[in-house]
Amino acid sequence: DAKTTQPPSMDCAEGRAANLPCNHSTISGNEYVYWYRQIHSQGPQYIIHGLKNNETNEMASLIITEDRKSSTLILPHATLRDTAVYYCIAITQGAQKLVFGQGTRLTINP
Amino acid sequence: DTGVSQDPRHKITKRGQNVTFRCDPISEHNRLYWYRQTLGQGPEFLTYFQNEAQLEKSRLLSDRFSAERPKGSFSTLEIQRTEQGDSAMYLCASSSWTGGEKLFFGSGTQLSVL
Repeated sequence: DAKTTQPPSMDCAEGRAANLPCNHSTISGNEYVYWYRQIHSQGPQYIIHGLKNNETNEMASLIITEDRKSSTLILPHATLRDTAVYYCIAITQGAQKLVFGQGTRLTINP
Repeated sequence: DTGVSQDPRHKITKRGQNVTFRCDPISEHNRLYWYRQTLGQGPEFLTYFQNEAQLEKSRLLSDRFSAERPKGSFSTLEIQRTEQGDSAMYLCASSSWTGGEKLFFGSGTQLSVL
């Protein structure tokens, strides 16, 4: 599976959009981009995933560049409860295990 | 859907003791995973079951570690002769065959080896 690169930390003001970047320049055509987050003292939580097209659900939006070498997770109106570590993972469907990096520690400030 | 349940939530033990953790996955999920996480690091894959079959084990899983999933339902992770380096959060996750890589994680068992 392709390696992903994320900034170690980011800050965002409450109520603003949080844009979390992820670089996956070696991603192959059959690899999906998955995003998880982990709030302190809890297990990781699935957020969203995509292959080529942009995706949106009740939690976030995922924007994947046309060349698929990078993506951005967008939390449209960040709240204090969105403070967490966010993990971007590139993985083939059916790979049977997720490999987590160190993620981005997002802090939402009041 | 009651989510993935792990027990105990916290475990403190002395070096050299054996410990066992339990994970109850979401009932219709046939895949079950164990991960380990230390402070400041992302979760590390330990092992994976599909139904009762253990299909993959990480090289991180030394001979002191054993996992079982009898009858393809709950799973146990046992650590024998614990060492201080075993101190970590042990996370369990489950998923369905049709769910892709959408895993549902429990809240973990925090192990402290004194």
